Amino acid sequence: ETGVTQTPRHLVMGMTNKKSLKCEQHLGHNAMYWYKQSAKKPLELMFVYSLEERVENNSVPSRFSPECPNSSHLFLHLHTLQPEDSALYLCASSQDHPGYYEQYFGPGTRLTVT
Amino acid sequence: EDQVTQSPEALRLQEGESSSLNCSYTVSGLRGLFWYRQDPGKGPEFLFTLYSAGEEKEKERLKATLTKKESFLHITAPKPEDSATYLCAVPHGGGRGSTLGRLYFGRGTQLTVWP
Repeated sequence: ETGVTQTPRHLVMGMTNKKSLKCEQHLGHNAMYWYKQSAKKPLELMFVYSLEERVENNSVPSRFSPECPNSSHLFLHLHTLQPEDSALYLCASSQDHPGYYEQYFGPGTRLTVT
Repeated sequence: EDQVTQSPEALRLQEGESSSLNCSYTVSGLRGLFWYRQDPGKGPEFLFTLYSAGEEKEKERLKATLTKKESFLHITAPKPEDSATYLCAVPHGGGRGSTLGRLYFGRGTQLTVWP
């Protein structure tokens, strides 16, 4: 595997379900991100982790719960979601180093909440 | 208030018809501007980083340029496989006083190239 991978690629869940999204990066980076992408909107940053420590929570509802057990893996735990949470969820990684800002994205998980 | 504005929202070109996409930004102390390509249902694919006014980067039919207030993505003789949404982004300093922080993304330009 190379780059940033995400599983599952597609997920349909009911509002009472609990599910998790998984992201893994193979780039040797030490920072990871969750983004939400909805139609006609810019990418919305949800969470930022650096060296497994959460450094930003961009006012995300508590029904989204991130977990970063190590610098290569990132999870997003989902519970009691709403239909408006349906979107493409993207994971990205970067190197937390002065002057280095590029983020590399995974293919995304298309989430549908019914 | 959008920090990054892209225009046009959508662009349809005939194969071989060159054009440019625009990305204007309002952040001060620019620490780079990034261009990404995104195909439907997929994650953004990194294309270019530009750091200073006057800088240019090229990749196949794409050339990105940067001024003090905007960036252009020039597409020369496009082909149908260039059809995608093109996103630009600029970093906002944040995190623990380090370079780590958020990227401000534009809404993208959806490019369609027809044969």
